[in-house]
Amino acid sequence: QLVETGGGLIQPGGSLRLSCAASGFTVSANSMSWVRQAPGQGLEWVSIIYSGGNTHYADSVKGRFTISRDNSKNTLYLQMNSLRAEDTAVYYCARDYASQPGWFDPWGQGTLVTVSS
Amino acid sequence: EIVLTQSPATLSLSPGERATLSCRASQSVSSYLAWYQQKPGQAPRLLIYDASNRATGIPARFSGSGSGTDFTLTISSLEPEDFAVYYCQQRSSWPRTFGQGTKLEIK
Repeated sequence: QLVETGGGLIQPGGSLRLSCAASGFTVSANSMSWVRQAPGQGLEWVSIIYSGGNTHYADSVKGRFTISRDNSKNTLYLQMNSLRAEDTAVYYCARDYASQPGWFDPWGQGTLVTVSS
Repeated sequence: EIVLTQSPATLSLSPGERATLSCRASQSVSSYLAWYQQKPGQAPRLLIYDASNRATGIPARFSGSGSGTDFTLTISSLEPEDFAVYYCQQRSSWPRTFGQGTKLEIK
C-alpha cells in the first residue's frame, strides 16, 4: 500500500515536499516513481528512483524537483521547488511492477498540489 | 520524446460489445508498451505490460497486441465496470510518456 501526503495550496515560486509512505514492501528494494495528473488532463511521468539510487526526471521538472527516499521510514519523497502554476496536479507515487522499472503498479491514492496566488 | 497517440478519443459502446482501442507511437518502442485503466476519482491500474502480458488479477477479457509503433487493447465483451479512461505508456526511452487517453463510455 502507498499513501501520499503533503499536498496543498502553495504560491508560485514556493516549495513543497510530498511524502509517500509504503507498507507491505521495501521502498529501497524497488524502483519508485512519481506521476502527476493536471485537473481533467492525462498522466505525466515526473521522476523515478531506482533501487540502486539512480534517478531520472522529466524535462519539465529537472532542476526544480528532487526525488529521494528514507529507508528507515520506508518512505519516498518529492521535493518540489520553484513551483509554477503548471505544476498544479494530483501527484501519485507508484512502485515498479514485478521488479520491472518503468511499469507502474500499485499506485497511491494521490495528493493534490495547487499552485496559485 | 516519444509521442503516443491514442484513438479514438471517446468510444461509445454497450455492455457485451467488443472494444478495440489503439495506441500509435511516434517511433518504435519495441514491445515496451503498457495499458492502464483509470476510473473517476481513482488512481490508474496496470492492465497490460510488455504489449501483451496481463498484470496480476486482470480478467482474461482484456488483451493487448502489437509491436513497434502500433498497439491495440481489446476488451472482448464489455462489463459495466470496464467503462473508464484507458492510457497507453511506453518505457522504451526517456522520458516515459503516456498517451492522452481514450474514454470508454456507455452507449
